[in-house]
Amino acid sequence: AQKITQTQPGMFVQEKEAVTLDCTYDTSDPSYGLFWYKQPSSGEMIFLIYQGSYDQQNATEGRYSLNFQKARKSANLVISASQLGDSAMYFCAMREGSATNKLIFGTGTLLAVQP
Amino acid sequence: KAGVTQTPRYLIKTRGQQVTLSCSPISGHRSVSWYQQTPGQGLQFLFEYFSETQRNKGNFPGRFSGRQFSNSRSEMNVSTLELGDSALYLCASSRSTGDPDEKLFFGSGTQLSVL
Repeated sequence: AQKITQTQPGMFVQEKEAVTLDCTYDTSDPSYGLFWYKQPSSGEMIFLIYQGSYDQQNATEGRYSLNFQKARKSANLVISASQLGDSAMYFCAMREGSATNKLIFGTGTLLAVQP
Repeated sequence: KAGVTQTPRYLIKTRGQQVTLSCSPISGHRSVSWYQQTPGQGLQFLFEYFSETQRNKGNFPGRFSGRQFSNSRSEMNVSTLELGDSALYLCASSRSTGDPDEKLFFGSGTQLSVL
C-alpha cells in the first residue's frame, strides 16, 4: 500500500539558514506525483512544490527545492534562507496512481524559525 | 485569480445534527476533492469529484456524502453528527483528474466543532 513517512515531528532552524525536511514514500506504481504543502496556524494548505515520478530534474520553486532520490524513494524539501514566516507545519503528500487526484499525506513536520 | 473558497470558515453544531460545507474551486478547475484533518488521524481523503461524477471515495461511513454541480462547485454533507466528526475539512481543486502532473490547490478549510 502507498505510504508517506515524515520522521521529523518538529525542527528548529535559525533565520537565514537552510533546512531540509525529510520525506520517504512507498509505492509500487511507476507513475506518481509528490507534493509539499505548508500549513500555517491559520489552517490553509499552501502548495509549495511538485515532483513527478518521471521528472529527470529536481523541482525548484523560488526558495524551495525538492531533493528527489527515486532509488531511495525519498523526496526531501529544502528551504533556503529561512524566514520567520516559514514557521508552519509542512506536509509531504503523494498522488496515488495516475487516474485520481487522491493524495496520501504524511504526518507532517512542524518547523520553527528562530531569529 | 481567486483561489479555492470554502464556506463557512467556522461551524458549531451539536450531536445528531447535519451540516453542509461548500467549496468553490479555482475558475476553470473541474476537479474537487475533500479531506478531513484531525489531530489523531491526520489528513484523510474523503471523496473526489470531476464533472459532477464521484471518481473516488475514502473509507468513511455513509453519513459523509458529497456532490458537485455543473459550475464545478461542490458541497459535502455530514448527517447525524458525532463528536468525532470535529475536524478541519479541506477542499482541493485542480483542472482535471488523472493527469500525473496535475497540481492540487487547497482552500482555507472549514473548522467544524461538534458539541
